[in-house]
Amino acid sequence: GAVVSQHPSWVICKSGTSVKIECRSLDFQATTMFWYRQFPKQSLMLMATSNEGSKATYEQGVEKDKFLINHASLTLSTLTVTSAHPEDSSFYICSARDFSREIGLFFGEGSRLTVL
Amino acid sequence: AQKVTQAQTEISVVEKEDVTLDCVYETRDTTYYLFWYKQPPSGELVFLIRRNSFDEQNEISGRYSWNFQKSTSSFNFTITASQVVDSAVYFCALSEAGAAGNKLTFGGGTRVLVKP
Repeated sequence: GAVVSQHPSWVICKSGTSVKIECRSLDFQATTMFWYRQFPKQSLMLMATSNEGSKATYEQGVEKDKFLINHASLTLSTLTVTSAHPEDSSFYICSARDFSREIGLFFGEGSRLTVL
Repeated sequence: AQKVTQAQTEISVVEKEDVTLDCVYETRDTTYYLFWYKQPPSGELVFLIRRNSFDEQNEISGRYSWNFQKSTSSFNFTITASQVVDSAVYFCALSEAGAAGNKLTFGGGTRVLVKP
C-alpha cells in the first residue's frame, strides 16, 4: 500500500485564491521531502526540497513567495499555492525518503490543480 | 549539472511486439542512481527499478529488462511481448548519491501506446 499520501488528489479553485496540498509519510519519518510539478504532457520538474524544521530549498526559477512550503513535522509537508492563476494549473507530486529501506524513495499519488 | 535525455517522445506498437526505450544521462558524480518509473493515465508514479552506478549487470524482471552501459551513459529499458496494460508514459531519472540525494532529475518521458 501507499507509504506517501497526498491530499487532495484534485482541486479546482478560482483565480486569486490559495490552495494547500498535503504530503504525508504514513509509516516512516521523513526529514526531507521533495515537491515536483508536471505540466500536461511534460516531465516532472523539481520545485523545492522541504526540510523538517527549517526553510525549504527552492530550485532556480521557482518563486518561494508563491509556492509556500512548510514541513512542520516529520510526517507532513505542505505546499501552498498562493494567489493561484490559470498558469499554475498543473500536477503536483511529492516524494519522501525512508532511509530505513534499501530502495526507500516513495512518491505520493499526486494532486491535480486546476485554476479557473 | 545532471541531465537525462529520452529521445523518443512516443512509441506505438502492436500487442506482443517488443519495445525498447532509450535513456542517456549526464552527470559529473562518480556515484549515482538511475531509475525507471511508469506513469499510467491516473498519474501516479510506479517504481520499476533502481540501479546504482557501480552495478552494471543487466537485469530482467518478468517481461521487463534493463541494459546499463556506463561507457555510453545509457540505461535502456525493454518491454518484451508488450501488452495493452503497458500503455503509459515511462520516465528515466537520475539522482546523486548520499543523504541529500534522491531528488531526481527526470528525462522528458516516452509515451508508449500498445495497440491490441
